[in-house]
Amino acid sequence: LAKTTQPISMDSYEGQEVNITCSHNNIATNDYITWYQQFPSQGPRFIIQGYKTKVTNEVASLFIPADRKSSTLSLPRVSLSDTAVYYCLVGDFIDNYGQNFVFGPGTRLSVLP
Amino acid sequence: NAGVTQTPKFQVLKTGQSMTLQCAQDMNHEYMSWYRQDPGMGLRLIHYSVGAGITDQGEVPNGYNVSRSTTEDFPLRLLSAAPSQTSVYFCASSGSQGAFFGQGTRLTVV
Repeated sequence: LAKTTQPISMDSYEGQEVNITCSHNNIATNDYITWYQQFPSQGPRFIIQGYKTKVTNEVASLFIPADRKSSTLSLPRVSLSDTAVYYCLVGDFIDNYGQNFVFGPGTRLSVLP
Repeated sequence: NAGVTQTPKFQVLKTGQSMTLQCAQDMNHEYMSWYRQDPGMGLRLIHYSVGAGITDQGEVPNGYNVSRSTTEDFPLRLLSAAPSQTSVYFCASSGSQGAFFGQGTRLTVV
C-alpha cells in the first residue's frame, strides 16, 4: 500500500478556497486516490475519488498531476461546517474494495469565522 | 437505506468482561472491516472480512475476535476487556463506490 503524507493541520476563514495536498510517492498503477471527511464523534465519510487529472463533484474537486505522486483536495468557499479531519487514502479500491485501508492522522481543518 | 448500523453507541465495561459489538450492513457488500480510533489518531484496522466465512487480521488484532456467518453481519468480540481497549470502534462496509462507515461505538473499559 502506498504511504501518504499530508499536513497535520490547516486553518482557513469562511468563504475561502482550501487546498489540501497529499503526497503518495509510491502509488501503484492500479491505485486510486480517495479522500474522506470525519466530523467529531462520527465515522469517516467518502468525499471524492480519482485516478488521474481532475475529478469534481458537488462537494469538492480532486486534482491529480500526470505522475500521480501527489493529489490536491480542493474545497471551494468553505464554511464553519467544513471543520473536520480530512484523510487521503491510496489503494486498489476498485478491484479489492479497499482491503486494508491505511488511515494516517489526516489533516485537521479548522474554519474560522 | 440504513447503510452501516453499529450497536451499541456507548458501552462501559469492567476489566476482564467480554462483549460483542454488532455491525450490520444492507448494501450487499462482500468486504467489511473493523477499526479503532484513539483520541487524535487515525483509524487502525483490527480485522476484516472479504466475504461470508472469511476473516483475516489487520494491524491491531490482539484481544479481538470476529466471525462472518452472513454477508450482512460482522460482529467484533472483546474476549477479556482491558483499559487499553478504551477507544471508539468503527465498522465499515466497502464496495466499488468506496467505504461506508457506521457511527461508531464509544467503549470505555474501567
